[in-house]
Amino acid sequence: AQTVTQSQPEMSVQEAETVTLSCTYDTSESDYYLFWYKQPPSRQMILVIRQEAYKQQNATENRFSVNFQKAAKSFSLKISDSQLGDAAMYFCAYNSGTYKYIFGTGTRLKVLA
Amino acid sequence: AAGVIQSPRHLIKEKRETATLKCYPIPRHDTVYWYQQGPGQDPQFLISFYEKMQSDKGSIPDRFSAQQFSDYHSELNMSSLELGDSALYFCASSLRSNVYEQYFGPGTRLTVT
Repeated sequence: AQTVTQSQPEMSVQEAETVTLSCTYDTSESDYYLFWYKQPPSRQMILVIRQEAYKQQNATENRFSVNFQKAAKSFSLKISDSQLGDAAMYFCAYNSGTYKYIFGTGTRLKVLA
Repeated sequence: AAGVIQSPRHLIKEKRETATLKCYPIPRHDTVYWYQQGPGQDPQFLISFYEKMQSDKGSIPDRFSAQQFSDYHSELNMSSLELGDSALYFCASSLRSNVYEQYFGPGTRLTVT
């Protein structure tokens, strides 16, 4: 069974600094997608970034980038130039082409002014 | 752009009562998904539908049932409510051809007292 693990329940970063959130996963599939979702206090699930497993190039969306290590089954999220609005819960998620996403337990990010 | 619509946004019910949550997918999306997010937890997949047929099933209690209608909207029916059913219920939608790209609604917050 596929699993997603986020080992950091909480992280803090100073405004304008860089922070990396960790995610590991376990699967026997070769083709799948990985995601990072942001959940602010409003509880809306907002897609931050998506990575296709067959693409070796790491995905980037403005200040957000990932370090995808397929062999190590690792998928970390780097947030550069952190802003107060980045404070939220961040969930790592996995989908192998089935109907369901499998989420990690989340990392609460605090941004310090 | 149109997003996934969920109604109601908030619902308060007593134990043993029944609740119905509604989800209206993004126009032309033919697949809907339901997730349950308990307090302090990650979203858990409940069930999904494609073309009015159940396409996958997760950890959905037998007290819950769901269906998708010809206009693709979906309803989640919950009976004999328990305190533990208090959670945020997300609906997501996608094209069947792209299950990797699920768009989440704002969620329905159900409180059982």
